[in-house]
Amino acid sequence: GAGVSQTPSNKVTEKGKYVELRCDPISGHTALYWYRQSLGQGPEFLIYFQGTGAADDSGLPNDRFFAVRPEGSVSTLKIQRTERGDSAVYLCASSFETEQFFGPGTRLTVL
Amino acid sequence: AQSVAQPEDQVNVAEGNPLTVKCTYSVSGNPYLFWYVQYPNRGLQFLLKYITGDNLVKGSYGFEAEFNKSQTSFHLKKPSALVSDSALYFCAVREPGGSYIPTFGRGTSLIVHP
Repeated sequence: GAGVSQTPSNKVTEKGKYVELRCDPISGHTALYWYRQSLGQGPEFLIYFQGTGAADDSGLPNDRFFAVRPEGSVSTLKIQRTERGDSAVYLCASSFETEQFFGPGTRLTVL
Repeated sequence: AQSVAQPEDQVNVAEGNPLTVKCTYSVSGNPYLFWYVQYPNRGLQFLLKYITGDNLVKGSYGFEAEFNKSQTSFHLKKPSALVSDSALYFCAVREPGGSYIPTFGRGTSLIVHP
């Protein structure tokens, strides 16, 4: 069956630009998570959705980061005024019970 | 607050030998514990979990992990390593009934030599 998909797989942008990263979770999974992973580190929590609502956005580093999940399925992570420090792999995961299923990630490079 | 530690950045083992990747945790109450594996340029893949019950948990690809409450550990093990097991391994912990957000360790790079 289809797993979690993320698009694009790679995104190169210039400092100050706006980017959108998309996550398509496993069908029927109500929980959706966004993480950021830097080289040599584990996934760092950003935001968690239960259905359409953000149940916990405490991991978003600042107000340049925002995420939506309007219909309780696909989610978009939005980053405004990108900075070089935003460069990382952005991972999406969905879950139905306890374990999470991860997508392949979007590698964001801010020049 | 929940936390997890993976004390080894890298573990080297010869093919055919047993392997252990260490994980210790800190959490209020009884933990939910997980192991994930990450291959290059891929997302994390679930290996196994401990929720309750038998302390020895068996998972995918011949891996197992032992929950030790007194030592607050959840080490990943495999009796006979394969070169194809070479990857990054992440331990994660979550408090039951609270936030549904697990905390991940920094990861351990497992290198299996032919």
